[in-house]
Amino acid sequence: NAGVTQTPKFRILKIGQSMTLQCTQDMNHNYMYWYRQDPGMGLKLIYYSVGAGITDKGEVPNGYNVSRSTTEDFPLRLELAAPSQTSVYFCASSYDRGDGQPQHFGDGTRLSIL
Amino acid sequence: GENVEQHPSTLSVQEGDSAVIKCTYSDSASNYFPWYKQELGKGPQLIIDIRSNVGEKKDQRIAVTLNKTAKHFSLHITETQPEDSAVYFCAASDDDYKLSFGAGTTVTVRA
Repeated sequence: NAGVTQTPKFRILKIGQSMTLQCTQDMNHNYMYWYRQDPGMGLKLIYYSVGAGITDKGEVPNGYNVSRSTTEDFPLRLELAAPSQTSVYFCASSYDRGDGQPQHFGDGTRLSIL
Repeated sequence: GENVEQHPSTLSVQEGDSAVIKCTYSDSASNYFPWYKQELGKGPQLIIDIRSNVGEKKDQRIAVTLNKTAKHFSLHITETQPEDSAVYFCAASDDDYKLSFGAGTTVTVRA
C-alpha cells in the first residue's frame, strides 16, 4: 500500500518557468489537499478538493492551479515560477471529513526557484 | 481566518522526562484539534487528535488536553525516548478538514 506518492522529490526551477507537481493516492480517498511549508512556519493550505471535478482555494492559492480529473490524482501547477514559491510542498488525502478521518501526507517535493 | 500559535519553538528534554507543547487558537468555532509528528525528510503523520466536546485524550505515552474557554490545547509526551525526537505541529479546524497549523516545535530527546 503506497499511500500518498509525490513526484518529483526535488526540483530546481528558473524564474518564469512552469512545472507540475504530481500527487497520487491509492487509498480511494475523496478529499485531497496541497500545502506548502516554509522554514520555521507551519503548513499553509494552497488548494483542496472534496472529490473528482471539485476544487477550491485554500489560504495561499495565488500563483498556483490545480485539477482533479480522477479520484487518485491531484496535480499542482506553477505557471510562472517566482522566488517566493521556493518551499517544500506536501500533498495529503483523507477519506472524508470528521471523526476518524485523518489526513495522510506524502513525503513532499522540495522546490527551489532561482 | 484561524490563527494558531505554538510554543515553544524548540524543546530539549532528557530521555525519560516529559515534554509539553502548547498551542492557542483564535477562532472560537474551531472544534477539531489534531497533532502531527514530522520526521526529517518525511511528511507529517497524525499522532493524536481531540474534538471540542472532550477535555482530554490519551494514547499510551501521549496525551492531549483542551481548554475551550481559554482557547488553548496542549500535547504531553511522558517517558520520552530518542525516537520521540522530531518536529511536532498542532492544528485547528472549524469544519473537520481544512486545517490551520502552528509553526511547529522541534523536540530533541537527549540520551
